[in-house]
Amino acid sequence: GAGVSQSPRYKVAKRGQDVALRCDPISGHVSLFWYQQALGQGPEFLTYFQNEAQLDKSGLPSDRFFAERPEGSVSTLKIQRTQQEDSAVYLCASSLAIRNTEAFFGQGTRLTVV
Amino acid sequence: EDQVTQSPEALRLQEGESSSLNCSYTVSGLRGLFWYRQDPGKGPEFLFTLYSAGEEKEKERLKATLTKKESFLHITAPKPEDSATYLCAVRFSGGYNKLIFGAGTRLAVHP
Repeated sequence: GAGVSQSPRYKVAKRGQDVALRCDPISGHVSLFWYQQALGQGPEFLTYFQNEAQLDKSGLPSDRFFAERPEGSVSTLKIQRTQQEDSAVYLCASSLAIRNTEAFFGQGTRLTVV
Repeated sequence: EDQVTQSPEALRLQEGESSSLNCSYTVSGLRGLFWYRQDPGKGPEFLFTLYSAGEEKEKERLKATLTKKESFLHITAPKPEDSATYLCAVRFSGGYNKLIFGAGTRLAVHP
């Protein structure tokens, strides 16, 4: 497709359950980002990949959060033992080059932990 | 600490009533200021990138400007379809390519 694709769009998880969120970036985009957006707030940075290398994971809130992009295209964000405070929209973005290019966002995955 | 602050939090306009949204930032080594539009239930949609003070960009009824401390998004003669949340974000040196976002301005334009 032409844009960033995320799946699932909605996920309801019971507290303690593991979840996996998928991101298909725009074809050929080198950079890939994950952001977390709470209701009424701006997106907050989680992690950054340049091709398959995870260069910045400073925003991951705990060691329950793990992200990978093994072949430099599709990425997965995994959350283990979900907690209620993990409820948010998780946004993926990609950009064509390493520097000075705009990032294009997917529709997001809304995660609700009950 | 690198920070982005947007004001007002919410803005209600009548159709045709022009106004401006503000984004002030404190970052070391600005590498770009970005404006996005976000509709409910959707991801942010890219609008503009500004790189240096004095730069301006325009798109339809929107015009973005940049100074050394802040950016403005001017909306001229808005229409109801301009209703959305407008997000400002900055990229800075030493931060790889990550964006720091403000909390956004929720704009409602009424006919």
